[in-house]
Amino acid sequence: NAGVMQNPRHLVRRRGQEARLRCSPMKGHSHVYWYRQLPEEGLKFMVYLQKENIIDESGMPKERFSAEFPKEGPSILRIQQVVRGDSAAYFCASSSGTGNTIYFGEGSWLTVV
Amino acid sequence: EDQVTQSPEALRLQEGESSSLNCSYTVSGLRGLFWYRQDPGKGPEFLFTLYSAGEEKEKERLKATLTKKESFLHITAPKPEDSATYLCAVQVNAGNNRKLIWGLGTSLAVNP
Repeated sequence: NAGVMQNPRHLVRRRGQEARLRCSPMKGHSHVYWYRQLPEEGLKFMVYLQKENIIDESGMPKERFSAEFPKEGPSILRIQQVVRGDSAAYFCASSSGTGNTIYFGEGSWLTVV
Repeated sequence: EDQVTQSPEALRLQEGESSSLNCSYTVSGLRGLFWYRQDPGKGPEFLFTLYSAGEEKEKERLKATLTKKESFLHITAPKPEDSATYLCAVQVNAGNNRKLIWGLGTSLAVNP
């Protein structure tokens, strides 16, 4: 999976807590994407970011979810006040500025209890 | 609405038994079609990108082809290690839009 690093790999949160998922893109990549995969469902686009900019957040729920990709440091997907329905695998992916190929990390598995 | 459909949902093959997986799509404008492989508990692993009808790409026992309406992933003489879920995704031509629209995948099991 070409160097996209995600952490934590597994995260357990109680209902109402916050979850923070981190993603360091592949070296040389400036475009970051977040996808969610629910059991028995396909991957769903959430958000597309470049450094310090949100380019497309059309797949993000309007409430409780936010994402950032600061000038320095990893991209963060933040889920506030988690509910059981947020339990899923969250995948980060990255691509270069010129290429279309999108490489994925190993995912962060969120379980809300 | 842009849509990607993969078939079959599941496929069981004997080692050495060649077959094809299908990915049909209806999109407003195709920028690229992608094939990925996903193992349980792992992220999707990139296999191929196809950009235009008639294009073909090969990698070991896998060959991907593209027409204006569908793509095929041909698996020649598969081995048990080819067992995985194969995912197809399309990227639509729309300005800065780079999101991938995914099919639900074909779960492939290759028996020794």
